[in-house]
Amino acid sequence: GAGVSQSPRYKVAKRGQDVALRCDPISGHVSLFWYQQALGQGPEFLTYFQNEAQLDKSGLPSDRFFAERPEGSVSTLKIQRTQQEDSAVYLCASSLAQNRPYGYTFGSGTRLTVV
Amino acid sequence: QKEVEQDPGPLSVPEGAIVSLNCTYSNSAFQYFMWYRQYSRKGPELLMYTYSSGNKEDGRFTAQVDKSSKYISLFIRDSQPSDSATYLCAMSGNTGFQKLVFGTGTRLLVSP
Repeated sequence: GAGVSQSPRYKVAKRGQDVALRCDPISGHVSLFWYQQALGQGPEFLTYFQNEAQLDKSGLPSDRFFAERPEGSVSTLKIQRTQQEDSAVYLCASSLAQNRPYGYTFGSGTRLTVV
Repeated sequence: QKEVEQDPGPLSVPEGAIVSLNCTYSNSAFQYFMWYRQYSRKGPELLMYTYSSGNKEDGRFTAQVDKSSKYISLFIRDSQPSDSATYLCAMSGNTGFQKLVFGTGTRLLVSP
């Protein structure tokens, strides 16, 4: 596709439920990033993939958060046993190369609400 | 204290005004400085980026970086109602993979 596609756009989860968020990056983009954006805040880094390799997961807030990109294209961010503090917009971005921090293209995000 | 500080606003201006948006930062390793625009319920989109210090102009937008003061600015000339959005500054280093570190974002409202 022409841009980064994320699904679902909106997700309401009951506390304790597991959720899976999907990201389809731009075709050919080797770098993929996940960011978390809380209400009224800027995005905060969660994790980074280069192709299928997860090279940095230092931003994942707890071991309830898990991300994968098994074939180097589509990525899934999974959150287990969701908590209210997990409510945020989850943004995915992709980039053609790792050494171009200005080259990110962001998706529109998945808005997760935990009730 | 956050690595990147940005006034959240909102900043309200009349159409045609010159807008000044600013960020300060503490990490001397930052070399790339980006400005993103984010409309409601959309992802951030890159407006401009600057490498190291200096000025960069693109149409109505001018980005300035002063590394000695750890201060960056975005100026918008002849502001339009369509410029109403949240403006995020973001920064990174320049070796290998570098995550973007964002400011809080400044909400701008341009009234007709």
